Amino acid sequence: SAVISQKPSRDICQRGTSLTIQCQVDSQVTMMFWYRQQPGQSLTLIATANQGSEATYESGFVIDKFPISRPNLTFSTLTVSNMSPEDSSIYLCSVERGLYTEAFFGQGTRLTVV
Amino acid sequence: KQEVTQIPAALSVPEGENLVLNCSFTDSAIYNLQWFRQDPGKGLTSLLLIQSSQREQTSGRLNASLDKSSGRSTLYIAASQPGDSATYLCAVSISSNTGKLIFGQGTTLQVKP
Repeated sequence: SAVISQKPSRDICQRGTSLTIQCQVDSQVTMMFWYRQQPGQSLTLIATANQGSEATYESGFVIDKFPISRPNLTFSTLTVSNMSPEDSSIYLCSVERGLYTEAFFGQGTRLTVV
Repeated sequence: KQEVTQIPAALSVPEGENLVLNCSFTDSAIYNLQWFRQDPGKGLTSLLLIQSSQREQTSGRLNASLDKSSGRSTLYIAASQPGDSATYLCAVSISSNTGKLIFGQGTTLQVKP
């Protein structure tokens, strides 16, 4: 398995501000993934973060809105920029581990934008 | 485009019942399929991973099956308990390289004492 720590676990933010979410993994991984779960919805992949290169974003997500850093093999951050109430979601960090690439998730960051 | 569907969306059963959750996917070219549990407002806990070449996996009271050709997977929970109450999510991986998971909408299970 994998131990993934996310900070903060929850936050309430004013619209127009930005929030940076941290994800720390207990051992080195090649790729880290950021997902969004909007209220009552399932998870959608935002981007894949590789160490030493720019993140790869999925359709509908852009770097200006969700800048990602990956400074080393155990850490990544996701910033939600210029927030609006529509950004209220749970944001989750994920990694893969093992021969068959089992996915593991952090406990998530519950963001409420007011 | 791969789509994942879970039926039913919600399920309420009395304690002790055996139950089956269903997951279907539109494209059989998957790398693996994974079942997760999510408690309200929390992250995901991995329950079972089935590789595309496997038919089933078991862990304790949980058994997951995979029929790739028909695009279906089931999660069987034996002797359900109130502590099993949660949302169960099915997700498929389409490639070992991308790591991208495509999730179903989930089944919210309530087990009543």
